[in-house]
Amino acid sequence: KAGVTQTPRYLIKTRGQQVTLSCSPISGHRSVSWYQQTPGQGLQFLFEYFSETQRNKGNFPGRFSGRQFSNSRSEMNVSTLELGDSALYLCASTPQHLAGDPYEQYFGPGTRLTVT
Amino acid sequence: AQSVAQPEDQVNVAEGNPLTVKCTYSVSGNPYLFWYVQYPNRGLQFLLKYITGDNLVKGSYGFEAEFNKSQTSFHLKKPSALVSDSALYFCAVRDMDSNYQLIWGAGTKLIIKP
Repeated sequence: KAGVTQTPRYLIKTRGQQVTLSCSPISGHRSVSWYQQTPGQGLQFLFEYFSETQRNKGNFPGRFSGRQFSNSRSEMNVSTLELGDSALYLCASTPQHLAGDPYEQYFGPGTRLTVT
Repeated sequence: AQSVAQPEDQVNVAEGNPLTVKCTYSVSGNPYLFWYVQYPNRGLQFLLKYITGDNLVKGSYGFEAEFNKSQTSFHLKKPSALVSDSALYFCAVRDMDSNYQLIWGAGTKLIIKP
């Protein structure tokens, strides 16, 4: 099976712009989670989608949004970019159906976003 | 409050020596516990997990972890370290009696010196 893919891998944007990142989960996986990783803050949970519905949300401002399509592919959008949004954005998928299923997450390589 | 602590930002070990990366957790119910590894410029890779049963869990690349309920710990171990084990290690816990959200530790940088 192909792994989790994320596009683009690298992105440079200017402050105030918006950006859309894409994630394709492993075939058959219906749960997709997004994380922001920065050297100072570690791994921060953004949100989780399951069957096109947001199931969990982290503590990020409304500038961060996401969605999931019927084929389980997911996108996240950041509007009005700030310098502090520079980070590695990771997507992870799992085959779980219930929130409590004991499956591990499978991560993509990430999208490195630089805001100048 | 639910939390995961990795008390060491960095662990230095000589190649061939045993290694331990520490993780403690605080959740309101029964936990599912996970260890992941991240190599430079890569996403995270799953190493092992504890769901139930035997407290000693074996995982990928020769790693193992011991679940200790009384000490609320889930330390990652390996009998003989390799230089290639140098990476960033994350512990995570899913609280099964709460909203099932995965809670992550801050990560521990493991450096194996030849």
